[in-house]
Amino acid sequence: SQKIEQNSEALNIQEGKTATLTCNYTNYSPAYLQWYRQDPGRGPVFLLLIRENEKEKRKERLKVTFDTTLKQSLFHITASQPADSATYLCALEGGGSYIPTFGRGTSLIVHP
Amino acid sequence: EAQVTQNPRYLITVTGKKLTVTCSQNMNHEYMSWYRQDPGLGLRQIYYSMNVEVTDKGDVPEGYKVSRKEKRNFPLILESPSPNQTSLYFCASSSRLAGEDTQYFGPGTRLTVL
Repeated sequence: SQKIEQNSEALNIQEGKTATLTCNYTNYSPAYLQWYRQDPGRGPVFLLLIRENEKEKRKERLKVTFDTTLKQSLFHITASQPADSATYLCALEGGGSYIPTFGRGTSLIVHP
Repeated sequence: EAQVTQNPRYLITVTGKKLTVTCSQNMNHEYMSWYRQDPGLGLRQIYYSMNVEVTDKGDVPEGYKVSRKEKRNFPLILESPSPNQTSLYFCASSSRLAGEDTQYFGPGTRLTVL
């Protein structure tokens, strides 16, 4: 069955460092992958989308990579700030399906 | 302001009492969907709609109904709620015609079924 894995353990880092979050998937051929940010009790907010034929995408301090051979996406936040503390979700969709599959998310905690 | 609104934001009800959670978007999006989010299980899609009068089941449709009579509205109906439907519910919309499936989520509805 299709499966998306994100690290269930919270990632704790120091302010100013680069945070790297991982999204691995199996039994899936996604057309694209998305990353969302979610704050407690609030709806997810879209951050970045990367397509299967793209290897890297950037937006300000954010960078996403997509390796369809490794079946993995990495999400980087450079010069992290305490305000970046949140849960980050990856979502995959493709193969003609209109049902995006979300990972369970990884909590990021940036310490001042 | 582009947004997805949901009502109510919080609801406590009893088993078997029919309820409706409304969802509305002002972005003229074709695609709308409902998710539930439970601890340890993440976001799971309940139903989605590709356009007016077109709806289909997601991963966890049992116990739910939806309708899409107008493009902007996509209500979620629980005909006979049960305690296992206690959850945080999100409505989302997106425009697939642009080729970019950016989903805009509502603020959530926290439902408790006693």
